[in-house]
Amino acid sequence: EVQLVESGGGLVQPGGSLRLSCAASGFTFSDYTMHWVRQAPGKGLEFVAAITSNGGTTYYAHSVKGRFAISRDDSQNTLYLQMGSLRAEDMGVYYCARAWMQVGGPFDYWGQGTLVSVSS
Amino acid sequence: DIVMTQSPLSLPVTPGEPASISCWSSQSLLHSNGYTYLDWYLQKPGQSPHLLIYLTSNRASGVPDRFSGSGSGTDFTLKISRVEPEDVGVYYCMQGLQTPLTFGGGTKVEIK
Repeated sequence: EVQLVESGGGLVQPGGSLRLSCAASGFTFSDYTMHWVRQAPGKGLEFVAAITSNGGTTYYAHSVKGRFAISRDDSQNTLYLQMGSLRAEDMGVYYCARAWMQVGGPFDYWGQGTLVSVSS
Repeated sequence: DIVMTQSPLSLPVTPGEPASISCWSSQSLLHSNGYTYLDWYLQKPGQSPHLLIYLTSNRASGVPDRFSGSGSGTDFTLKISRVEPEDVGVYYCMQGLQTPLTFGGGTKVEIK
């Protein structure tokens, strides 16, 4: 059974940093492009970042470029999102998702999400 | 960036009746390989999103056949032939043609 389990969310002050993790199981993690998608409270879905199966290429939303870094450890079947210079608008639930067919998805599996709160 | 627009914002439905959601993209989602990279997701209350339709018209595994997707280029539609109470939630279209991937704003389907 495919599972994606996010962790690392929490309360952080504006300007602070946080690292999210997504533990994958039930499939060959190294074969898939992986994504982070977020959802601000009461809002819609927003692409955050993606990393290709070999880790060679990364993609970012304009709003996080230069502040966030996506990475992966295929030996640990884990996806990461290092978030820095956090702002109030970064608050929300962060989901990791598996891109099934190509870099742009579709997302056939999603995690349960981890909540990031940014407040002083 | 490709802008995705959905309509309506809210859709009250009667169980057993059909429902339809529209999605438009600011540029064609047709790739040179012939595929059109438009997907539909449903986020039920309190849950993560899940895939309904991929590549415009293909139902994902386990999705009931009352759901269907159609469209081409920049205009797309998700149809539910007979709405069931468990279909309530927010429906999102998403373009997978180019990064940054972009989602429509969502359509909230609720039972009348």
